[in-house]
Amino acid sequence: LAKTTQPISMDSYEGQEVNITCSHNNIATNDYITWYQQFPSQGPRFIIQGYKTKVTNEVASLFIPADRKSSTLSLPRVSLSDTAVYYCLVGPPTDSWGKLQFGAGTQVVVTP
Amino acid sequence: GAGVSQSPRYKVAKRGQDVALRCDPISGHVSLFWYQQALGQGPEFLTYFQNEAQLDKSGLPSDRFFAERPEGSVSTLKIQRTQQEDSAVYLCASRPGPAGDSYEQYFGPGTRLTVT
Repeated sequence: LAKTTQPISMDSYEGQEVNITCSHNNIATNDYITWYQQFPSQGPRFIIQGYKTKVTNEVASLFIPADRKSSTLSLPRVSLSDTAVYYCLVGPPTDSWGKLQFGAGTQVVVTP
Repeated sequence: GAGVSQSPRYKVAKRGQDVALRCDPISGHVSLFWYQQALGQGPEFLTYFQNEAQLDKSGLPSDRFFAERPEGSVSTLKIQRTQQEDSAVYLCASRPGPAGDSYEQYFGPGTRLTVT
């Protein structure tokens, strides 16, 4: 699985857009990019997954440039409840039964 | 609908004791994963079951760790002769089928194990 690098922490105010960029220079051709969110005392929760260009769902958008060496998770108009750790994962869909390889993640703190 | 549940939520064990952690996956989910999460770190893969078959146990840190899923539903992670370095949150996750085109797994709340 490709190694990922993301900021340790980010601060934001309510109502702002938060963009978290993840670097994955060694991404392979058949790798997907997946983001998870984890609140304190809870297990991680799947947010979004993409392969190229842009993916959007009701929670977030994922932007992937043409070279796929990085990706950006965009959280629109964050609220206090978006305070969590966000993990970027990169790997092929059929690798090792789909086991997930997490890094340390990005701690996002949203304040009023 | 019911999600993944784990019990107990908290466990305190004296060093050297054996512990058993239970995971109830979402009904009908074929795949089940165990992860270990140390404080301040991301979860780390321990083992994977497809139905009752344990197909990957490459992440188990030592032979003191043992997992089973005898009927393809509930799973138990057992740790024998616990050590302080075993203190962590143990997470269980399930997914509907075997590996496919999605990395979406459904996680339980975890069991926080503290070894004193």
